[in-house]
Amino acid sequence: DAGVIQSPRHEVTEMGQEVTLRCKPISGHDYLFWYRQTMMRGLELLIYFNNNVPIDDSGMPEDRFSAKMPNASFSTLKIQPSEPRDSAVYFCASSPTSGGPNNEQFFGPGTRLTVL
Amino acid sequence: QQQVKQSPQSLIVQKGGISIINCAYENTAFDYFPWYQQFPGKGPALLIAIRPDVSEKKEGRFTISFNKSAKQFSLHIMDSQPGDSATYFCAAPSNTGKLIFGQGTTLQVKP
Repeated sequence: DAGVIQSPRHEVTEMGQEVTLRCKPISGHDYLFWYRQTMMRGLELLIYFNNNVPIDDSGMPEDRFSAKMPNASFSTLKIQPSEPRDSAVYFCASSPTSGGPNNEQFFGPGTRLTVL
Repeated sequence: QQQVKQSPQSLIVQKGGISIINCAYENTAFDYFPWYQQFPGKGPALLIAIRPDVSEKKEGRFTISFNKSAKQFSLHIMDSQPGDSATYFCAAPSNTGKLIFGQGTTLQVKP
């Protein structure tokens, strides 16, 4: 199993540009999570999906952030327009159905985003 | 917003020593308390987890101790090794079920 796949691994962009992060969860996992990690705020849950449906987006910082899951094998996190304070490592994670959102989460390698 | 308070923020231990990291959580209707381990440049990975029908769970050199009445749980790493040097996160479920992570503890094990 390839594990959770994220792309790109690194992204450098300029303020005001649109950024799209991509995630492919582990096959058969019904939960998908997007996290942001910074030194100041630690690991924050932005949004999670169950069976492609957004369940809790209360962690999405503002309207500039949006996430979609058009099918069971693909999700995107979009930032438009990007700002320097969005610089962080963004992780995607997935987990199987049993146990609900509290089950073991399998994290991808992350996307390091730098907004200049 | 519910919080999970983790301490210490950083920890330096000699090889062979015991590393202890503590977490305190707020009320939750769920019973699942994991610890994740993260190496530089990698995503977090589940290390060990406890469902507190027991007060302690041991897997190799790693032990979780759980005190439900105090709403606290801790990770003990026995015979700490340089390869254990990483960042450790505790987590607890919120009242809505999603996991809330602690701020993390950076562990350095000196040879």
